[in-house]
Amino acid sequence: KAGVTQTPRYLIKTRGQQVTLSCSPISGHRSVSWYQQTPGQGLQFLFEYFSETQRNKGNFPGRFSGRQFSNSRSEMNVSTLELGDSALYLCASSLGTSASNEQFFGPGTRLTVL
Amino acid sequence: QKEVEQDPGPLSVPEGAIVSLNCTYSNSAFQYFMWYRQYSRKGPELLMYTYSSGNKEDGRFTAQVDKSSKYISLFIRDSQPSDSATYLCAPNSGNTPLVFGKGTRLSVIA
Repeated sequence: KAGVTQTPRYLIKTRGQQVTLSCSPISGHRSVSWYQQTPGQGLQFLFEYFSETQRNKGNFPGRFSGRQFSNSRSEMNVSTLELGDSALYLCASSLGTSASNEQFFGPGTRLTVL
Repeated sequence: QKEVEQDPGPLSVPEGAIVSLNCTYSNSAFQYFMWYRQYSRKGPELLMYTYSSGNKEDGRFTAQVDKSSKYISLFIRDSQPSDSATYLCAPNSGNTPLVFGKGTRLSVIA
């Protein structure tokens, strides 16, 4: 069974630009969660989508948004990039909601903002 | 007080040593306790999962939870170089998104 895939794996952007990251969950998984990982703050929850609906949202500004498609694939978007947005963005999928089901993580997208 | 506190290390031990990794948490609603392992350039993977207080053993790994002191531990016996990774604790209430510790970076030296 294929794991969670994320594209692209690496991305370099400049301040003020926007970026879209993509996540394909494990087949059959309906929940996709997004996390930001930095050395200073660790792994922080961004948001979770289940059956195309946002179920939970972390404490991030509105520049961070996401969506989920009917095939459970998900995208997250960051607008007006700031230097502090440089991080590893991880997506995780689970059969049901992330709170009560094992999450499987993808390898992440490494975003560098210059 | 942060919801989950974890010493970031790095922690360096010789092969064969017993490793102790620890976290403290503040939310008394946490009932499920997970440990994730993250290798370099990879996403985290679930290593162990326990419910409520007590111990759980899986091979060389033992997870221990003390809810009275809000303290969780992961012990690794006979540590191997392949155990070199970052270990993240993630206590959970069961109905909210996971909250992760910052992770402890472990190096096991052959």
